[in-house]
Amino acid sequence: GQQVMQIPQYQHVQEGEDFTTYCNSSTTLSNIQWYKQRPGGHPVFLIQLVKSGEVKKQKRLTFQFGEAKKNSSLHITATQTTDVGTYFCAGPGETSGSRLTFGEGTQLTVNP
Amino acid sequence: DGGITQSPKYLFRKEGQNVTLSCEQNLNHDAMYWYRQDPGQGLRLIYYSQIVNDFQKGDIAEGYSVSREKKESFPLTVTSAQKNPTAFYLCASSLSRGPPFYEQYFGPGTRLTVT
Repeated sequence: GQQVMQIPQYQHVQEGEDFTTYCNSSTTLSNIQWYKQRPGGHPVFLIQLVKSGEVKKQKRLTFQFGEAKKNSSLHITATQTTDVGTYFCAGPGETSGSRLTFGEGTQLTVNP
Repeated sequence: DGGITQSPKYLFRKEGQNVTLSCEQNLNHDAMYWYRQDPGQGLRLIYYSQIVNDFQKGDIAEGYSVSREKKESFPLTVTSAQKNPTAFYLCASSLSRGPPFYEQYFGPGTRLTVT
């Protein structure tokens, strides 16, 4: 079945440093979604990418979707303590329908 | 206020007991989902439903059961057959069955502890 892998699993940065997490799918994705889960909270949708090579920005966050639509990345510029949490990528399953396959997430900690 | 509610936030049960987790949404979403999250891990799909009176098994359905009698409600029962039920359970919903694929909205979750 479809697998979605994320690296790294953990990332510790000093406040102000940049951060990047990478997502790779075993199959081509029609779209990819990114979610953020704060410690003790629930996942919250950040963005969806649909087009090959698409790049979207949300303030200090930059999201990319690979040309082959099998990989994606999230880059945070100049991290802040509010960026702490786990970032998940997710893509639609092979068997259609609305189910998503989530990556295992990258847990980001930011030292002030 | 629209959203997804899950109750209770914390739940404690003795081994061998069935327990039902509640999930209600007033977003008028067709699709609903149940995920399990273990410490430091990702989300694993237990069951999902794309329409009332229909649901499909996810990746880890063994030991769980669901019903979808109303569009707004998708309760999850953790049965005594579930070998390791202690976990954080998240319910989610999305606008349509896809495609196009819409984002999922998550409830606050229920932390279940079985001893």
